[in-house]
Amino acid sequence: DTGVSQDPRHKITKRGQNVTFRCDPISEHNRLYWYRQTLGQGPEFLTYFQNEAQLEKSRLLSDRFSAERPKGSFSTLEIQRTEQGDSAMYLCASSTGQGARADTQYFGPGTRLTVL
Amino acid sequence: GQQVMQIPQYQHVQEGEDFTTYCNSSTTLSNIQWYKQRPGGHPVFLIQLVKSGEVKKQKRLTFQFGEAKKNSSLHITATQTTDVGTYFCAGPFGNTDKLIFGTGTRLQVFP
Repeated sequence: DTGVSQDPRHKITKRGQNVTFRCDPISEHNRLYWYRQTLGQGPEFLTYFQNEAQLEKSRLLSDRFSAERPKGSFSTLEIQRTEQGDSAMYLCASSTGQGARADTQYFGPGTRLTVL
Repeated sequence: GQQVMQIPQYQHVQEGEDFTTYCNSSTTLSNIQWYKQRPGGHPVFLIQLVKSGEVKKQKRLTFQFGEAKKNSSLHITATQTTDVGTYFCAGPFGNTDKLIFGTGTRLQVFP
């Protein structure tokens, strides 16, 4: 399978716990994006990377959220001290990142987080 | 801030009927992208439109980008049960690659 993969697919945690999600983009894709999607809504942008550099963070990304892409390949999204409002589907996408024009973003299956 | 709205929010059709969803942006877009998300699934890229007034077809699906590059539409001819899902339009925010997704139109097709 050469698509975007995410792990885990489902995560149930108690409020206050820390969680970490992983995303493996399509091989050789330079750009990697994180989105959050709640029920009945479209995906909301959280952050994105060009190789290992984090280029932009949304205001939605509070201080409890941190994302890394240390080697420019896979990425992790960590949420500290989870709150019930963090319950959502966390989607990862990748693209070739050719120039400034927005190119096709390919989405992974997502990680569904439930905070009890 | 930039907003992308879609109407209708829901559409229920009988199999064989046509379906159209409309997408409107508060700002001019460099391009518009359409995604389909099946129930329980993730967004799957359908198409990207770049030029003003552009029209593209994929079998029973017709996509159109408005002349002012602020609106777009997706039309499905003779819907099938396999068309069920939520259709999102999305456009890049400013000069960046991050996408602003529309509110989505959920399509239900009855056999």
